[in-house]
Amino acid sequence: AQSVSQHNHHVILSEAASLELGCNYSYGGTVNLFWYVQYPGQHLQLLLKYFSGDPLVKGIKGFEAEFIKSKFSFNLRKPSVQWSDTAEYFCAVSGGSYIPTFGRGTSLIVHP
Amino acid sequence: DAGVIQSPRHEVTEMGQEVTLRCKPISGHNSLFWYRQTMMRGLELLIYFNNNVPIDDSGMPEDRFSAKMPNASFSTLKIQPSEPRDSAVYFCASSLTGDRRGYTFGSGTRLTVV
Repeated sequence: AQSVSQHNHHVILSEAASLELGCNYSYGGTVNLFWYVQYPGQHLQLLLKYFSGDPLVKGIKGFEAEFIKSKFSFNLRKPSVQWSDTAEYFCAVSGGSYIPTFGRGTSLIVHP
Repeated sequence: DAGVIQSPRHEVTEMGQEVTLRCKPISGHNSLFWYRQTMMRGLELLIYFNNNVPIDDSGMPEDRFSAKMPNASFSTLKIQPSEPRDSAVYFCASSLTGDRRGYTFGSGTRLTVV
């Protein structure tokens, strides 16, 4: 069975600070990895995804994530956050069934 | 494409009443998923359908919950009788089976049981 662990439940940053959200997964086979974002009062939207190839994945709004197979990690990064990045961020992993398992989420608050 | 459409957006009901949540998946998608989101438990997969057939309902909390998908363009999640602990945001998502690009989520139904 696959599982996902997000280390940070709550993160508070000031604008222009750098962001890194941790995500570790557990699965024995080939994985597909995702980050979703949920803005306040809205539904989940896909931020970026990794299937294969370059382990550094670039997504929308300046976000990127790096797949490190040896560490079973897929951390999300952004060099300079904005107030509008305030949201909940979910890491997800899917294996052969292509049905993602989601982490508990990380709440990010960015102060202007 | 209008995306995944859920109704109602908000539902407030009294304990013991029946609640029905509705979902219209993206046209052409043949997999449909119901999730529940709470502060305590995060995002939980309740049930998913493939080609209108329920494949895995192991996430359904108890017999008070039931889900149906009578055709490719409509699904319902019913709670009868509802309890205050059912208060949550319920999301529907759809995808093409085997499409590893991920889901498209609906806007959710915020259910409050008082």
